[in-house]
Amino acid sequence: QVQLVQSGAEVKKPGSSVKVSCKASGGTFSSYTISWVRQAPGQGLEWMGRIIPILDIANYAQNFQDRVTMTADKPTSTAYMELSSLRSEDTAVYYCASYYDSSGRQTRAFDTWGQGTMVTVSS
Amino acid sequence: DIVMTQSPDSLAVSLGERATINCKSSQSVLYSSNHKNYLGWYQQKPGQPPKLLIYWASTRESGVPDRFSGSGSGTDFTLTISSLQAEDVAVYYCQQYYSTPLTFGGGTKVEIK
Repeated sequence: QVQLVQSGAEVKKPGSSVKVSCKASGGTFSSYTISWVRQAPGQGLEWMGRIIPILDIANYAQNFQDRVTMTADKPTSTAYMELSSLRSEDTAVYYCASYYDSSGRQTRAFDTWGQGTMVTVSS
Repeated sequence: DIVMTQSPDSLAVSLGERATINCKSSQSVLYSSNHKNYLGWYQQKPGQPPKLLIYWASTRESGVPDRFSGSGSGTDFTLTISSLQAEDVAVYYCQQYYSTPLTFGGGTKVEIK
């Protein structure tokens, strides 16, 4: 089963961008769909979108469509999530989460999660 | 979007007693072609990422104690902890993966009475 290790905490100014990485190990990277899920302090889980490396396709939730970019670098088995035009409401823990799907066309529950990356947006 | 509604928001159960969490989806998450419910349950403890407990509504993830069980179909689902242990104190979330955007319930906090 793949393991996911995320980059460290970030502090950003309003209006700036943040790029969080998620490095996979222990599996064939292209066979895993990587989603990004965020959790504001004391709040629930919110799906932001996913990257399907084997198809080079990304799907985004409507709430983030205009501000998020998800990419995957296959040689380094690393997925990235970049969120722009940051505001205070974006302060949250950002998780990458994955499931195995060699076709890129299935959807499954997230059986593997990264440890989370705290992003703080403050002036 | 499929809205997932969990109840209750929180519950307190005595050690060894049963805990029951409900989850309702705004539309069916049963895929007719394979007869699978695209519904998962997660457990989240403070400072940790969520952990998958149940997928396909009723299949226990490897390593998950058998006191955890999932049931239901279509739009109504239940997570049951048959005999609550101290280590089960956590927030539990249901999630549908039938269609994007993938959506989660609001969470149920389980505590010891």
